[in-house]
Formats: sequence, structure tokens, C-alpha cells
Amino acid sequence: NAGVTQTPKFQVLKTGQSMTLQCAQDMNHEYMSWYRQDPGMGLRLIHYSVGAGITDQGEVPNGYNVSRSTTEDFPLRLLSAAPSQTSVYFCASRTGWGGNTEAFFGQGTRLTVV
Amino acid sequence: SQQGEEDPQALSIQEGENATMNCSYKTSINNLQWYRQNSGRGLVHLILIRSNEREKHSGRLRVTLDTSKKSSSLLITASRAADTASYFCATDGSGNTGKLIFGQGTTLQVKP
Repeated sequence: NAGVTQTPKFQVLKTGQSMTLQCAQDMNHEYMSWYRQDPGMGLRLIHYSVGAGITDQGEVPNGYNVSRSTTEDFPLRLLSAAPSQTSVYFCASRTGWGGNTEAFFGQGTRLTVV
Repeated sequence: SQQGEEDPQALSIQEGENATMNCSYKTSINNLQWYRQNSGRGLVHLILIRSNEREKHSGRLRVTLDTSKKSSSLLITASRAADTASYFCATDGSGNTGKLIFGQGTTLQVKP
């Protein structure tokens, strides 16, 4: 199994450009989340989803959109990139069955906005 | 602000020594989890402790949880150079949301 796959691994954007970070999981997990990681800040939750068709905001949702049309995919859209969105982005998934479950992470997307 | 606060932010020890990292949180939880992150990589799950558990072991890892103090600790015994990484606690709150809220992490360096 591939687990959680993120693409691209690296991306450079100009201020104002838009793009979509892709995340796919092949474990049939209900829960998926997006985090950003900045130096000294740990991981901060951007958006999350408890199943197809259901999304909600996390701690730092501004400037990002998500959708969950299938169980497998959870893309993160940057609407108009800003330098403050320079960060490393991680996607994670968990099964919702049984509670008390671990999260599986992708390898991350390193985004630079110039 | 984030749910978990970790202490210390950085820790440097010699191989063979024990490493202890602490995590404090603010709200009620279903469980608390610890993750490891090697430089430039994604996070990997280490251990999960439920809110009704006080201590859990996995190999060289020992985790404690004190829900009255809203705190947890991760002990790595007999550390190795390969344990060099960042370690994060994450809380899984009440309610069936699947959200994990992470602390800021502890960077551990184990010198050979």
C-alpha cells in the first residue's frame, strides 16, 4: 500500500498565484486533515474532514479551501498565494472506526511563495 | 493557541542516556499520542495512551498521562544516535471529529 501520497513535493509560487496541493490515501480512512508546519510552531491544523462531502475549519483556515468529493482524495487549494503561506504542508488520514486511532502522514509539500 | 505545549524545546544528550520530554494540554481528551519526525520527513506514530490509562510502554518508550494535571511525558531509555529527531505530542479531543492538535515539539539530539 502507498499510504498517504502528497504531490508535489516542492513548489514555488509567485504572490497572487493559485494552486492545489494534492493528497490521496488508499487505506479507506474516513478522517483526513491538512496541517502546516512552520519553524518553532509545530503543526497547525488548517482544515479537516470526517468523510466524503464533509469538511470543517481548523486553527488556521484563512486563505485555504478544501473539498472532499471522494473518500480517497482531499485537495488543499491556495486561492491567492501570499508569502505568509510559505511553509511545509502535511496531509494526514485516520480511520474513524473504533476510536483511539493513529494518524498516517504524507511526506509533505514544501511551498515557497515569493 | 495550540493545545499542546512541549518542554523542553530542545534536548541534547549522549548515547545511552535517557531522554524525557513533557507535554501539557488545555482541554479534555480521548487520548494523547506521540509522534516522531526525522528531518525533512513526515510524522510517524510512536504510541497512543487513552484518557483512562496512566502509563504505557512500547519497546524503549514509556509514556505517562496525568489527566488531573493535563500533562504527559515521553521517556526514551538507552537512547541511540538514530533517535535524533523531533518529537510531538498530539491530543485527540472529545467528540468524533478525528482532529489531532499538535504541540510545538521537542528536538532531540543524541550524540554518539
